[in-house]
Amino acid sequence: DTEVTQTPKHLVMGMTNKKSLKCEQHMGHRAMYWYKQKAKKPPELMFVYSYEKLSINESVPSRFSPECPNSSLLNLHLHALQPEDSALYLCASSSWDGRGLDIQYFGAGTRLSVL
Amino acid sequence: RKEVEQDPGPFNVPEGATVAFNCTYSNSASQSFFWYRQDCRKEPKLLMSVYSSGNEDGRFTAQLNRASQYISLLIRDSKLSDSATYLCVVNLSNVTDKLIFGTGTRLQVFP
Repeated sequence: DTEVTQTPKHLVMGMTNKKSLKCEQHMGHRAMYWYKQKAKKPPELMFVYSYEKLSINESVPSRFSPECPNSSLLNLHLHALQPEDSALYLCASSSWDGRGLDIQYFGAGTRLSVL
Repeated sequence: RKEVEQDPGPFNVPEGATVAFNCTYSNSASQSFFWYRQDCRKEPKLLMSVYSSGNEDGRFTAQLNRASQYISLLIRDSKLSDSATYLCVVNLSNVTDKLIFGTGTRLQVFP
């Protein structure tokens, strides 16, 4: 089973709100990721945590703040977002397959609208 | 030049047709290659990893040509349920956690 669970599925927030997106996997995967995806575009990497440490930050604005409380959980804290931040936010986790490839599995995403 | 390039399509094919997608990548040191499938308003799902020797999974065949730096996906006997966007994905060898996505090729299979 390769299940990555994201909550909430949908979120509407104002520009002054603070909210959090949550992601959970219980497959023992070593790395977890946040992506942003706009309509008709491929996913854009935001952050990577490897063994619970932040390993990649793709120059994401500070209004997005990731947190990895433990190896199964990944949060994305949102504050003072802009309407252009409206998008599908995807979480992924990864592990090595039997042939030495690191395979990423995606959650269903949180569809975020910023008003 | 984009790191991973795909023809955006759409490819409109009848049921039962064979369709092929190509993808080119710019970094010759790239090590890992994948095809993901994404349905409208859904998450990407791994379709196939692409191995150097080529690999097949049912109606789907993936090939890798390192000399020309391209990857292909062949779908035989297309089904209506194959309609989706197919993302070519490359893992750069020097940053193993970072996947580079192509813009995707849209496939529409009609009855």
